[in-house]
Amino acid sequence: SYVLTQPPSVSVAPGQTAKITCGGNNIGSRSAHWYQQKPGQAPVLVIYDDSDRPSGIPERFSGSNSGNTATLTISRVEAGDEADYYCQVWDSNSDHPGVFGTGTKVTVL
Amino acid sequence: EVQLVESGGGLVQPGGSLRLSCAASGFTFSSYEMNWVRQAPGKGLEWVSYIRGGGTTMYYAESVKGRFTISRDNAKNILYLQMNSLRAEDTAVYYCARDSFVGSSFDYWGQGTLVTVSS
Repeated sequence: SYVLTQPPSVSVAPGQTAKITCGGNNIGSRSAHWYQQKPGQAPVLVIYDDSDRPSGIPERFSGSNSGNTATLTISRVEAGDEADYYCQVWDSNSDHPGVFGTGTKVTVL
Repeated sequence: EVQLVESGGGLVQPGGSLRLSCAASGFTFSSYEMNWVRQAPGKGLEWVSYIRGGGTTMYYAESVKGRFTISRDNAKNILYLQMNSLRAEDTAVYYCARDSFVGSSFDYWGQGTLVTVSS
């Protein structure tokens, strides 16, 4: 089955840029999506289709996807961005198509 | 306003059964594919199951295949997850999530319902 690997944690100072990677075999050929989850809350979609932002998501959130790595970038990080972030793809060639990454805890110093 | 409200969680013994429901409102339910996603305590997200809008196509995670059944009632705008032969490792918060029309991202989520499998 398809595996997506993320770093367990990323630390960043307020105002700086956080980059969260999502590694998967030829992930660049698939659409990658990103979710933010704060403690006790349901996940929220922050990036879909590699780099598009849903309505209401700040422009500070951006995404890219190429080769074996998809990346979520959070610019001008704020304290409120502290959360867990998950990447996700749909492996349409599989009988078990839904795949989430292992998750990354973003800590704002 | 899109709303998804899960119910049916609770404490169940190993080997037991439980049926989760997800009541949908604020959109044309039958037009959307739907999913169940779960999260064990302190762990990451795990996709569980998918169903097409018309209910004709379903997919399951390997970990639940043969034990869980996803279904939907488009007349009542309700998504279901029938869970049989429950195991301790099925303990999790279960979320229903709407599948967007773009790349199978999940654009709306319910608040989740907790299932605890324990004797």
